[in-house]
Amino acid sequence: EAQVTQNPRYLITVTGKKLTVTCSQNMNHEYMSWYRQDPGLGLRQIYYSMNVEVTDKGDVPEGYKVSRKEKRNFPLILESPSPNQTSLYFCASSFMGNTQYFGPGTRLTVL
Amino acid sequence: GESVGLHLPTLSVQEGDNSIINCAYSNSASDYFIWYKQESGKGPQFIIDIRSNMDKRQGQRVTVLLNKTVKHLSLQIAATQPGDSAVYLCAENYSPGSGTYKYIFGTGTRLKVLA
Repeated sequence: EAQVTQNPRYLITVTGKKLTVTCSQNMNHEYMSWYRQDPGLGLRQIYYSMNVEVTDKGDVPEGYKVSRKEKRNFPLILESPSPNQTSLYFCASSFMGNTQYFGPGTRLTVL
Repeated sequence: GESVGLHLPTLSVQEGDNSIINCAYSNSASDYFIWYKQESGKGPQFIIDIRSNMDKRQGQRVTVLLNKTVKHLSLQIAATQPGDSAVYLCAENYSPGSGTYKYIFGTGTRLKVLA
């Protein structure tokens, strides 16, 4: 089944404790992206990647890192999480300039 | 946790009626547009898309209309059913150059279907 998977689905952590949210897709898509979704603000892009080893900042990259060592995986790293990073996070993938397919989401709470 | 559906404009329709959800997009260079449905606790799911060389596209029970003159997109759902209750997101896609692509999402409209 063609899909985007994310793990974990739910995470509660404390300020400053490094965490990684994994994202994987099995559709051979070049383009992958991370978004955060907050009430009233919609989906905002954090980082995106157009192919292996090619990543770029989206609209809200501060406090986040990504890597794209393999085509299928695009992990999101929070080196030192803060409470303002409490949000619902989505990974998405697509062929270039086409429909993005979204993962199920990761709800992160930073205390 | 707090639902992303809070604070959104809400459209309430009677079951069986047609629904029209509107979206104003921001970039005149956008050439690809997508509608997504997002149910509570889930990721956005693709409904229908349209390229800028078209002004109308139909799917099963859904139609997307594009008016490039006023930068307006709409989603029409025929014979709305309780399962259509969700938040609907519009998205636009454009290439700012250098082979990159940008997607911009609207904040969404909540559709509530009344029995």
